Amino acid sequence: SQTIHQWPATLVQPVGSPLSLECTVEGTSNPNLYWYRQAAGRGLQLLFYSVGIGQISSEVPQNLSASRPQDRQFILSSKKLLLSDSGFYLCAWIRGTSELTGELFFGEGSRLTVL
Amino acid sequence: AQSVSQHNHHVILSEAASLELGCNYSYGGTVNLFWYVQYPGQHLQLLLKYFSGDPLVKGIKGFEAEFIKSKFSFNLRKPSVQWSDTAEYFCAVTRAGRRALTFGSGTRLQVQP
Repeated sequence: SQTIHQWPATLVQPVGSPLSLECTVEGTSNPNLYWYRQAAGRGLQLLFYSVGIGQISSEVPQNLSASRPQDRQFILSSKKLLLSDSGFYLCAWIRGTSELTGELFFGEGSRLTVL
Repeated sequence: AQSVSQHNHHVILSEAASLELGCNYSYGGTVNLFWYVQYPGQHLQLLLKYFSGDPLVKGIKGFEAEFIKSKFSFNLRKPSVQWSDTAEYFCAVTRAGRRALTFGSGTRLQVQP
């Protein structure tokens, strides 16, 4: 069966420090991968998605970047965190197909607090 | 830009009351529509989805949603809610050829016993 893992689950970082959140999927190949940020009252904001190794689409200009060094690995990064980067980050995957007709499977989430 | 609007941010109901949560989207082309639910302390999970065919879609736990193309709406309904339905509900939309879902801001449902 397919599983998705995110880490770390909780992170407290000072302003200006770097960030690396990692997401891996097991039990499938060539998934579409997504990073969302969930904020109270604002729902889920799509940050990045990737349909393959090295292919990243950015949805919102911001302080963050994403990379996909391997087929089942998706990394969210920042060189210098801002206070506004605080939030709950969710990784998700879906089977890679030409049309998005299936459901997203979400990871457990990573809560980032920037002080 | 494609957007999804959920008008009810917080809904409080008593058990056995009927539920309807609104969802409207802005894109005029062919769309796929979803409702996701997040129970306290759990992952987001799919409640139901619409791709084509019968505009009345039935999902898990007695939920259903109706796609009304002329109103750009996909409202979620349940005839009689239970305390265990307390959760946050998210409407999501994607259009043909697009690889990502756009989510609404969510509706927090609180069911009182």
